[in-house]
Amino acid sequence: DAGVIQSPRHEVTEMGQEVTLRCKPISGHNSLFWYRQTMMRGLELLIYFNNNVPIDDSGMPEDRFSAKMPNASFSTLKIQPSEPRDSAVYFCASSSPSTGWSTEAFFGQGTRLTVV
Amino acid sequence: DQQVKQNSPSLSVQEGRISILNCDYTNSMFDYFLWYKKYPAEGPTFLISISSIKDKNEDGRFTVFLNKSAKHLSLHIVPSQPGDSAVYFCAASSSNFGNEKLTFGTGTRLTIIP
Repeated sequence: DAGVIQSPRHEVTEMGQEVTLRCKPISGHNSLFWYRQTMMRGLELLIYFNNNVPIDDSGMPEDRFSAKMPNASFSTLKIQPSEPRDSAVYFCASSSPSTGWSTEAFFGQGTRLTVV
Repeated sequence: DQQVKQNSPSLSVQEGRISILNCDYTNSMFDYFLWYKKYPAEGPTFLISISSIKDKNEDGRFTVFLNKSAKHLSLHIVPSQPGDSAVYFCAASSSNFGNEKLTFGTGTRLTIIP
């Protein structure tokens, strides 16, 4: 398997524009996560899905952020309108169910977003 | 409210010596802990984990220690190698919240000096 695939790797956009980040999880994984990495807060969980259903979106910072998972192999994170403070690296991760304790999540390479 | 804290943003260690990275947590519901390693321009990768029923887990050069009473865990790397230079994230989860939800710390940048 190619692992978690994110696109684009880099995105530079102007303030006010819509940005869409994409993620293809590992086949067979039923949980998908969107994280944002910043210097101040480290890796913040924005939202996660289980079996394509949003379970916890309490980390989504504002209504400008939205995420969808229309099927088991694709998810999007959209920011509309974008602002300079949204500049960060956004990671998508996926995991499979465990029979005991928690399983580790597998991360994509991230999308570096710069809003100017 | 940072529930998982890594108070040292950076650490430098001589090659061959022991590297000790620390992590503190505040939520007593956490019962599973993980360490991730991250190289520049790559996503974090899983390194080692420990459940709350244990106080130590070892995997080659990497050992994680858990002190539940102090809500503290540490990652020991011995001997340290130049390839260990990376950012290390501590993470925690709770079987009460759904095991898959990981709460991360802010990371510690480890530099191994040749």
